[in-house]
Amino acid sequence: NAGVTQTPKFRVLKTGQSMTLLCAQDMNHEYMYWYRQDPGMGLRLIHYSVGEGTTAKGEVPDGYNVSRLKKQNFLLGLESAAPSQTSVYFCASSYFRGTEQFFGPGTRLTVL
Amino acid sequence: TQLLEQSPQFLSIQEGENLTVYCNSSSVFSSLQWYRQEPGEGPVLLVTVVTGGEVKKLKRLTFQFGDARKDSSLHITAAQPGDTGLYLCAGAEGSNYKLTFGKGTLLTVNP
Repeated sequence: NAGVTQTPKFRVLKTGQSMTLLCAQDMNHEYMYWYRQDPGMGLRLIHYSVGEGTTAKGEVPDGYNVSRLKKQNFLLGLESAAPSQTSVYFCASSYFRGTEQFFGPGTRLTVL
Repeated sequence: TQLLEQSPQFLSIQEGENLTVYCNSSSVFSSLQWYRQEPGEGPVLLVTVVTGGEVKKLKRLTFQFGDARKDSSLHITAAQPGDTGLYLCAGAEGSNYKLTFGKGTLLTVNP
């Protein structure tokens, strides 16, 4: 089992460009999450999903959109990237609410 | 918004020393998780504590959940360089789907 995988691992964007980060999990988990991690700020929840076809806003959702068309995939989109979105993005999944979250290896995004 | 405060933020010690890191909140959590994150990787769960006053041991690591379920500590005995990493605590609240993460303690164990 691969667990949680993220694509791509690294990306550099120019301000205003768009991109999609892909997260895939093979554990049949219902819950999936997108976080960003910045120095001194810890992990902050961007959006999450409690099942296929559902999404909800987290702590810092502005500038991001998500989709969960298939249970195993959770996509994070940046419509018009800004330098403030330079960060490391982590996807995670869990079997149930409040239970262990399994994290992917992260995507390091730089917006110039 | 619930907050989890972790202390210290940074800790640099020599191999063989003992250490304790703390995770505190004014809110009650139904459970609390500790994760370790190594450079370039995602966090990995170490332990989950559920009952107030609970103590769990994982080799040289001892985790304690406060009686009131508002705080937790992680004690490492005879630290080794392999213990180096970012230690994160995360609280779960009842029916909430989300975990609240602390900002972490960055531990460096020097040989």
